[in-house]
Amino acid sequence: GENVEQHPSTLSVQEGDSAVIKCTYSDSASNYFPWYKQELGKRPQLIIDIRSNVGEKKDQRIAVTLNKTAKHFSLHITETQPEDSAVYFCAAKGSWGKLQFGAGTQVVVTP
Amino acid sequence: ETGVTQSPTHLIKTRGQQVTLRCSSQSGHNTVSWYQQALGQGPQFIFQYYREEENGRGNFPPRFSGLQFPNYSSELNVNALELDDSALYLCASSLGGSISTDTQYFGPGTRLTVL
Repeated sequence: GENVEQHPSTLSVQEGDSAVIKCTYSDSASNYFPWYKQELGKRPQLIIDIRSNVGEKKDQRIAVTLNKTAKHFSLHITETQPEDSAVYFCAAKGSWGKLQFGAGTQVVVTP
Repeated sequence: ETGVTQSPTHLIKTRGQQVTLRCSSQSGHNTVSWYQQALGQGPQFIFQYYREEENGRGNFPPRFSGLQFPNYSSELNVNALELDDSALYLCASSLGGSISTDTQYFGPGTRLTVL
């Protein structure tokens, strides 16, 4: 089945700097890769997603890149702000249709 | 917010008891997925319902069961509760079943504590 690894587990950045989170997956048939942000005590919220026919997607300060050959995808947040502090999860949807999540990255943006 | 609702918000049960959690999907969505999120971990897929049929299952024992109704709302039932079942239970609403790459929108979750 699908296995998704996410790194780092914690990330501390200065406000205004960039943050990068990396994920790898095992199922080469995976075709959908969403990223969710979860604030303490709240539901996971989709921030960006990418489908396997696209290599890169950007939405304002957030971008995701996908390398299908290497089976990894990354989240990039530029010009970080204190409100970006949260836990971020990557996920991959494999050939059997299950959305498998990474273990999460705790991002702390310090002013 | 997503339009996906869950009830109850919090629940406390004792070992061996049974529990039913409920989820109302977003208008127009026909697929509900259930996840278990233990503290400090990512959501783990329990199962998915598409047009009232189970459409995929994760590595959870048969005491985890579910239903989907004609209006596409869904229930998660857990029998013979164990301490390790304590977690946040999330449902996610989407369109198109397991083959779809449609976005899954999460509800607020039900926090289950088993004593």
